Amino acid sequence: GQNIDQPTEMTATEGAIVQINCTYQTSGFNGLFWYQQHAGEAPTFLSYNVLDGLEEKGRFSSFLSRSKGYSYLLLKELQMKDSASYLCAVEDSNYQLIWGAGTKLIIKP
Amino acid sequence: IAGITQAPTSQILAAGRRMTLRCTQDMRHNAMYWYRQDLGLGLRLIHYSNTAGTTGKGEVPDGYSVSRANTDDFPLTLASAVPSQTSVYFCASSDGIGQTDTQYFGPGTRLTVL
Repeated sequence: GQNIDQPTEMTATEGAIVQINCTYQTSGFNGLFWYQQHAGEAPTFLSYNVLDGLEEKGRFSSFLSRSKGYSYLLLKELQMKDSASYLCAVEDSNYQLIWGAGTKLIIKP
Repeated sequence: IAGITQAPTSQILAAGRRMTLRCTQDMRHNAMYWYRQDLGLGLRLIHYSNTAGTTGKGEVPDGYSVSRANTDDFPLTLASAVPSQTSVYFCASSDGIGQTDTQYFGPGTRLTVL
């Protein structure tokens, strides 16, 4: 079967750095997405990786290792507004998105 | 403002009733999708449409139907609602054929079936 694993919840301190991991087992791979979802709101796109390596976008970076079936989202200089769920999704060989259950990130002052 | 709208925002429905959730996008995206999101589970695809006039089944299509008469609208119908269909429903669209492009989500519809 297809599976996306993420930690259920993480806690970090304002101003710090946090890394949210995602491991996947899917039938084929055509890219990996990270989305942010604030409570009661819709998911919004953060990043897309299809090649191995690190993609940096401001305070957020996303890393991919296709051979290990592994990705992480790195958030720097954490702000209170970063409190949200972070969803990892993999596009399989049929170009269907398989979604993880999401990681709830709690930021403490 | 460009984007996706959904209606209603929330609804309480008696079991056995028919319900249509509406979704409209003004970005001229080819592909549209319906997901449900339940606590502790990832987003699950119900139905999708790669282009106007075509639809396909996702992971959890039973009890739901869709139509895509034009580019902008993609309604989701529950023919006879059951309590297990209580969920938050998100509509999304993307610019590519299939799901190769970034998906943009509507604000969601919170549905409770009693």
